[in-house]
Amino acid sequence: SQQGEEDPQALSIQEGENATMNCSYKTSINNLQWYRQNSGRGLVHLILIRSNEREKHSGRLRVTLDTSKKSSSLLITASRAADTASYFCATDSGTALIFGKGTTLSVSS
Amino acid sequence: EAGVAQSPRYKIIEKRQSVAFWCNPISGHATLYWYQQILGQGPKLLIQFQNNGVVDDSQLPKDRFSAERLKGVDSTLKIQPAKLEDSAVYLCASSLDPQGGDETQYFGPGTRLLVL
Repeated sequence: SQQGEEDPQALSIQEGENATMNCSYKTSINNLQWYRQNSGRGLVHLILIRSNEREKHSGRLRVTLDTSKKSSSLLITASRAADTASYFCATDSGTALIFGKGTTLSVSS
Repeated sequence: EAGVAQSPRYKIIEKRQSVAFWCNPISGHATLYWYQQILGQGPKLLIQFQNNGVVDDSQLPKDRFSAERLKGVDSTLKIQPAKLEDSAVYLCASSLDPQGGDETQYFGPGTRLLVL
């Protein structure tokens, strides 16, 4: 079953621009995580935000969580070509980690 | 620190054949996961082990899929017999202590399976 749904499905931007991806989910969660997947590779954990947190930063990444709206956003600032990848949100409700379908980000130089 | 190792990286088989995938988690990680990722979708959990015990296998098609984690370290996922719809990337992940508050999962490179 799909819990998180990312929006948009695909995003194309120029280097230096900011990229924003959104994730909506259906049930209550313990935490929400964002992962990156480069083409043909495994997933890399980016950031985890707990249900009692509203915002978290890690380098050029900013994640927000609104549990009342059951939504999260991932902002990548000053994007680089190396940020080109698929980005997945994953919700942890205390059982299995459930991933969305992902947003494919393309950053051109 | 060595990451999660998986082999083989690629496998092509014909339907009704059997196939096995191997995973070696990060040393010391008690929890091991197998995911199936179909093209264009996010990973879907097949089975979760805590040491050598199964925590969750509710999404594992048990009529054809099996998995084991010998001695609580390495793990093997088997498909027998394979169907065309099993074509996917099979990802292994491990985590240190999800029950203790460290929920980060570390993924291997995956095994890309093509069933013809």
